[in-house]
Amino acid sequence: DAGITQSPRHKVTETGTPVTLRCHQTENHRYMYWYRQDPGHGLRLIHYSYGVKDTDKGEVSDGYSVSRSKTEDFLLTLESATSSQTSVYFCAISDTFSGANVLTFGAGSRLTVL
Amino acid sequence: SQQGEEDPQALSIQEGENATMNCSYKTSINNLQWYRQNSGRGLVHLILIRSNEREKHSGRLRVTLDTSKKSSSLLITASRAADTASYFCATDESNTGKLIFGQGTTLQVKP
Repeated sequence: DAGITQSPRHKVTETGTPVTLRCHQTENHRYMYWYRQDPGHGLRLIHYSYGVKDTDKGEVSDGYSVSRSKTEDFLLTLESATSSQTSVYFCAISDTFSGANVLTFGAGSRLTVL
Repeated sequence: SQQGEEDPQALSIQEGENATMNCSYKTSINNLQWYRQNSGRGLVHLILIRSNEREKHSGRLRVTLDTSKKSSSLLITASRAADTASYFCATDESNTGKLIFGQGTTLQVKP
């Protein structure tokens, strides 16, 4: 997972509280992604970014927002966490978007919403 | 909705045997990739095959792609206990460029 770190790695929170997950990269890659991984669903794209302040929604974006104020940081925010957002969240980076979009993943952030 | 669907969902074999996993997808693609995930870790890229390629090799890995059937297979030859992991296919959609993952195949290789 060199070049990409996620924090926190584990978090337990209560329903209704805000949560922010951080993804930090040292690769200067243009594209950054947030996925969630749940049993029976594989990985599902939440949001992605194609540059500073340029973001777009993925397939499961409801209840999530993102921000990217610097190339190296991509934040995922749950404004009011719900139990359905208990999951493992993965950040990924790539330096291309089409043609050969190979992702490098972080180690994951396990979120439990009680 | 998931683009790639892997089959089987779980596979258990003995060390030394070959493991074959299949992936089907729905829309036209630029390329198809396979990733591996060890328990509790992030995914790691294994191999990429472009839409104009039919077969690709990397060490003990062999990937095939049939765009007419919208399917791919990953073959791991002479498996080792260390190959125990989950394997995911991912498709790079032609019209969006987004990478969409399937649900994965869990492989157990018994020593």
